[in-house]
Amino acid sequence: SQTIHQWPATLVQPVGSPLSLECTVEGTSNPNLYWYRQAAGRGLQLLFYSVGIGQISSEVPQNLSASRPQDRQFILSSKKLLLSDSGFYLCAWGGQYSGNTIYFGEGSWLTVV
Amino acid sequence: GENVEQHPSTLSVQEGDSAVIKCTYSDSASNYFPWYKQELGKGPQLIIDIRSNVGEKKDQRIAVTLNKTAKHFSLHITETQPEDSAVYFCAASRIPPQGTYKYIFGTGTRLKVLA
Repeated sequence: SQTIHQWPATLVQPVGSPLSLECTVEGTSNPNLYWYRQAAGRGLQLLFYSVGIGQISSEVPQNLSASRPQDRQFILSSKKLLLSDSGFYLCAWGGQYSGNTIYFGEGSWLTVV
Repeated sequence: GENVEQHPSTLSVQEGDSAVIKCTYSDSASNYFPWYKQELGKGPQLIIDIRSNVGEKKDQRIAVTLNKTAKHFSLHITETQPEDSAVYFCAASRIPPQGTYKYIFGTGTRLKVLA
């Protein structure tokens, strides 16, 4: 069966510091990968999605970036965090082997102070 | 761009009553509509989905209906229980060959089931 892992689960970072959130999927190949952000009590905002290695589509202009160095690895980064980057970040996978739906990881809580 | 509107934002029902959550989508080419349940501090979990070639789908106490002409779909929960309390999200997507698995989510509905 397929599983998705993302880490760290919780982090507190000062303004201006870098960020790296990592997500990996097991049990499938060539998945579509997604990063969503959820502000406190709000909906799910699509940040990036990727249909293959090195292929990244950005949905919202921001100071975040994403990379996909391996087939089942998706990384969300920032060089300098802003207060507004605080939120709950969710990685997800989907595609032809997921029955066309997407499945989420457990999320990473980011607080920028 | 594509948009999904979801109503209501909060919903309180008595245990045993029914709950209905409605979503409207803008992209007429959308052909897949999943619903997710999110408990506090966790990632959303798929609870039911429907494709554009089907008007209704049911799974025990949960059902989803789709009106392609009006571009809206609804989640129905019957005989609600306290464990149904959570935030529910609808989503719309174009799955291949018409699309690229890009999912647009509604803004969520916080459902409270009162014992």
